[in-house]
Parts: sequence; C-alpha cells; structure tokens
Amino acid sequence: DAGVIQSPRHEVTEMGQEVTLRCKPISGHDYLFWYRQTMMRGLELLIYFNNNVPIDDSGMPEDRFSAKMPNASFSTLKIQPSEPRDSAVYFCASSSSANYGYTFGSGTRLTVV
Amino acid sequence: GNSVTQMEGPVTLSEEAFLTINCTYTATGYPSLFWYVQYPGEGLQLLLKATKADDKGSNKGFEATYRKETTSFHLEKGSVQVSDSAVYFCALSGYGGSQGNLIFGKGTKLSVKP
Repeated sequence: DAGVIQSPRHEVTEMGQEVTLRCKPISGHDYLFWYRQTMMRGLELLIYFNNNVPIDDSGMPEDRFSAKMPNASFSTLKIQPSEPRDSAVYFCASSSSANYGYTFGSGTRLTVV
Repeated sequence: GNSVTQMEGPVTLSEEAFLTINCTYTATGYPSLFWYVQYPGEGLQLLLKATKADDKGSNKGFEATYRKETTSFHLEKGSVQVSDSAVYFCALSGYGGSQGNLIFGKGTKLSVKP
C-alpha cells in the first residue's frame, strides 16, 4: 500500500493566484480529512468527508477555501485567491474509522509570497 | 465538547533518560485515545492507541495506559534515543463510536541530546 499520497510536496505561489492541493487516500478508507499546520495555530482540521460527502467544513477559514471529493480515490483543496497568511503545511489523512486512527500523507508545504 | 490537553514543550532530555509526556482529556462517551509522532519534514504517524479503559498501547518502547478515572493517557518511554526527537501529539476520537474526526492536542516537541 502506497499510503496517502499528496501532491505537490512544495508549492510557492504569488499572492492572488489560485492554488490546488491534491490527495489520494488509501484504497478502502471512507473518511478523508484535510488539516493545516502552522507554528502559531498548530494542527487545524479544515474539512472532512465520509463516503465522498463533506460532513464538517466548519474549520474552513473563509470562502477562499474550497474542497471537493469527486470520487473515493481523489480529493482537492483549492485556495482562490491565495494570501500570504495561507502559508502553512497542508496535510491530508484518511481512515476507515476514527477508532482505528488516521494515516497521514507527507503534506504540502505552501508558501504564498 | 471533547478536548485534549497535553503538556507544553519543548522537552529536552539526555539519551537514555526516562520520558513522560502528559495528556489529559475531556470526553463524553467512550472515545479511543491515540499518540501520534511527527518527525521533521514528515506527516504524523500513528505511534500507539488504546480503545477502552485500562488498555495499554505500546510501540517502539513507548507505552500509554487509558486511565478513565484520571482521564489521562500519558506517554512514557524508559530510555529515549536521539532518534526519538520529534513532536508528539495526543488525540482522541471525537465521538463514542466509529464515526467522526480525531481531536488533537497542540503537540509536545521532544529533543534528545547525545
């Protein structure tokens, strides 16, 4: 099993540009989570899906952020327009059950200049 | 609602020292409890877990016991190594069943000096 795969690993973009982060969960996992990690705020849950349906998006900071899961093997997190304060490491994780824990991807380090 | 509180770091120890990282929780129902580890530049990895009271999770010399009476899940290791330097996160399942998300503590950075 290749684990949770995120792309790109690093992204540098200019303020105002659109950024799309991608995630492929582990096959058979029906939960998918997007987290953001910064030094100041720690690990924040942005949104999670169950069976491709968004369940809780209360952590999405504002309308500039959107997430989709068109099928069980792919999800995107989009920021449009991006701002310097969006600079962070974004993690995707998947799970078959919260009681079993999550498997995290390696993250995407986003820098908005 | 459910929440996790873990001791603030950073924690600096010498190699072969004893490690304790405290974690307490507030929860309704019967959550599962977890410790995750994050090495520099990597994602979080599940270190160990416990799914019911008095369960002990263990892995790589680390262990933690689910204490319902003290609502705690402290991480311990008898002899740390330099390679254990990382950030450690305590977490609990957000709901009593199998649904929902994990709630993470703020993380404790551990540095082990040779």
